[in-house]
Amino acid sequence: DSGVTQTPKHLITATGQRVTLRCSPRSGDLSVYWYQQSLDQGLQFLIQYYNGEERAKGNILERFSAQQFPDLHSELNLSSLELGDSALYFCASSDSYKNQPQHFGDGTRLSIL
Amino acid sequence: EDKVVQSPLSLVVHEGDTVTLNCSYEVTNFRSLLWYKQEKKAPTFLFMLTSSGIEKKSGRLSSILDKKELFSILNITATQTGDSAVYLCAVGQTSYDKVIFGPGTSLSVIP
Repeated sequence: DSGVTQTPKHLITATGQRVTLRCSPRSGDLSVYWYQQSLDQGLQFLIQYYNGEERAKGNILERFSAQQFPDLHSELNLSSLELGDSALYFCASSDSYKNQPQHFGDGTRLSIL
Repeated sequence: EDKVVQSPLSLVVHEGDTVTLNCSYEVTNFRSLLWYKQEKKAPTFLFMLTSSGIEKKSGRLSSILDKKELFSILNITATQTGDSAVYLCAVGQTSYDKVIFGPGTSLSVIP
């Protein structure tokens, strides 16, 4: 158990909808990372927050947004969903922003019908 | 464009064999190279390498980084069926704090 909690585990929805994925980092970790993993793209970095502030941005679509709250949990919002957004979304946390070993949650599997 | 390349992409070996997984990178502002093991779900951390030539070991696994030639290897000796997984290589950057993952090497160890 990595100590990182992601909810929900599975999400099935339709095109055009909006969903929110939630992540609680390991106790004491200030940094949260979001990744998208699909079969053809591998693990893609989306965005990183450190102690409530956006720290780094990767290949995150404009339809996607994230935030980290004062209690350090984070949410990833995906809107106007398309079939291609179907993937496994991972959250990871670390104790700093300096690429320290990241501890991954079990992921949220998103299926768009 | 920053990239991380792993080879081979897939590997099947017998129990007891030794395997070497390769990771090469072209990344600006290198900070660290990390190896992860992904079984059915979440990637789990194996090693973090920041200095060239210093081997890191954990049981039957070891890894080393060559910052001049821009690559790293992950060795697994006396493989076991429990080593079957996807092994991910990732490179962390300094100025952007991003982490770039390679496509992974899928290792299957058969009895």
